Amino acid sequence: RKEVEQDPGPFNVPEGATVAFNCTYSNSASQSFFWYRQDCRKEPKLLMSVYSSGNEDGRFTAQLNRASQYISLLIRDSKLSDSATYLCVVNRAGNQFYFGTGTSLTVIP
Amino acid sequence: DVKVTQSSRYLVKRTGEKVFLECVQDMDHENMFWYRQDPGLGLRLIYFSYDVKMKEKGDIPEGYSVSREKKERFSLILESASTNQTSMYLCASSFPGTGTDTQYFGPGTRLTVL
Repeated sequence: RKEVEQDPGPFNVPEGATVAFNCTYSNSASQSFFWYRQDCRKEPKLLMSVYSSGNEDGRFTAQLNRASQYISLLIRDSKLSDSATYLCVVNRAGNQFYFGTGTSLTVIP
Repeated sequence: DVKVTQSSRYLVKRTGEKVFLECVQDMDHENMFWYRQDPGLGLRLIYFSYDVKMKEKGDIPEGYSVSREKKERFSLILESASTNQTSMYLCASSFPGTGTDTQYFGPGTRLTVL
């Protein structure tokens, strides 16, 4: 079973829409959780860390459900510039990070 | 601003060649990582290093080796390149810690082995 699983999409949404991505992780010992964004042919960049109580950064909201072992990312009022692949990342104790395969989002004018 | 640089953006090599991929970071990070990224498989960890001269195997170390002689530099070596090593190679660095640290990635090297 993969450490981290995501729906690959693609998600095609109109500008202004709200879209949500989920990600599940298999190891209950996982400690830290992140969402990264990767533009086409570019490197991944940190979008936001995910905290137990949930956290928000502008139009982006991340949630963690430890009991069900999933994390989510909600994007409100989608912009064209949000088009990218969103990677779910999980870290256990130690230095290893586990990446999902990514969810592709295209925001349509 | 953290900067992670990789020696080449694009590289074409022939089967059997020895290939060196270099990564340099300027933030005095202890941890450095090498991943490969393939469609449908995501990022997979090849090796990582948490200190100079220290290295740990990741999930797919076969066919690769690494070198970390200086803190800022982490090299990935393909001893004898094969076509199944055609991929995007990404280097990353981070501070050590409880796992809340962020990984910073280099721009990637797209390697083609013919």
